[in-house]
Amino acid sequence: QVTLKESGPVLVKPTETLTLTCTVSGFSLSNARMGVSWIRQPPGKALEWLAHIFSNDEKSYSTSLKSRLTISKDTSKSQVVLTMTNMDPVDTATYYCARIKVVAAFSMDVWGQGTTVTVSS
Amino acid sequence: DIQMTQSPSSLSASVGDRVTITCRASQSISSYLNWYQQKPGKAPKLLIYAASSLQSGVPSRFSGSGSGTDFTLTISSLQPEDFATYYCQQSYSTLVTFGQGTKLEIK
Repeated sequence: QVTLKESGPVLVKPTETLTLTCTVSGFSLSNARMGVSWIRQPPGKALEWLAHIFSNDEKSYSTSLKSRLTISKDTSKSQVVLTMTNMDPVDTATYYCARIKVVAAFSMDVWGQGTTVTVSS
Repeated sequence: DIQMTQSPSSLSASVGDRVTITCRASQSISSYLNWYQQKPGKAPKLLIYAASSLQSGVPSRFSGSGSGTDFTLTISSLQPEDFATYYCQQSYSTLVTFGQGTKLEIK
């Protein structure tokens, strides 16, 4: 069974750096047919893609957030980590990680439950 | 970035209705278009990938079509559990983008 689970702080202060971890099971981060994306959703708003990473360490970032994001993976730990610097209240959102299935048009076929992050002093 | 525009933004329909949601890309994305369903407080769920392929376990009343810039998601006979928000997503570009969502409500 494939699962993804997000973890990280519930509350961060403005200007702080957010570090989120996605722990996966049921597939390997070294699988060339898979990748992992991070997506967020502010309360009541639409989904926003943030970044993704593939087995060959290929990475891409949202154009609007590129300067603040870093994505990395630890294959041995089955974890994908996303850091976002200089957090602001507008970054308050539920953050999801999802598996990318390369052979299925790079669709996100399995999602984590999400973790809610509030940015407030 | 490729912009994805969904219409309508919201839709009221009744159980048993046939419903169509449209998604338009700002440039050609071939068939790299995926559809997701999201219910309140839950993570999105993949319904359709590659414009028209039904994800395993998804009821056959859901179907997708289109290529290039214009795509549709059709629900042939609405069921009570289908009332949710639907998102399209393009995966043609490495810079992934989602539509703004279509909220499907009970009439």
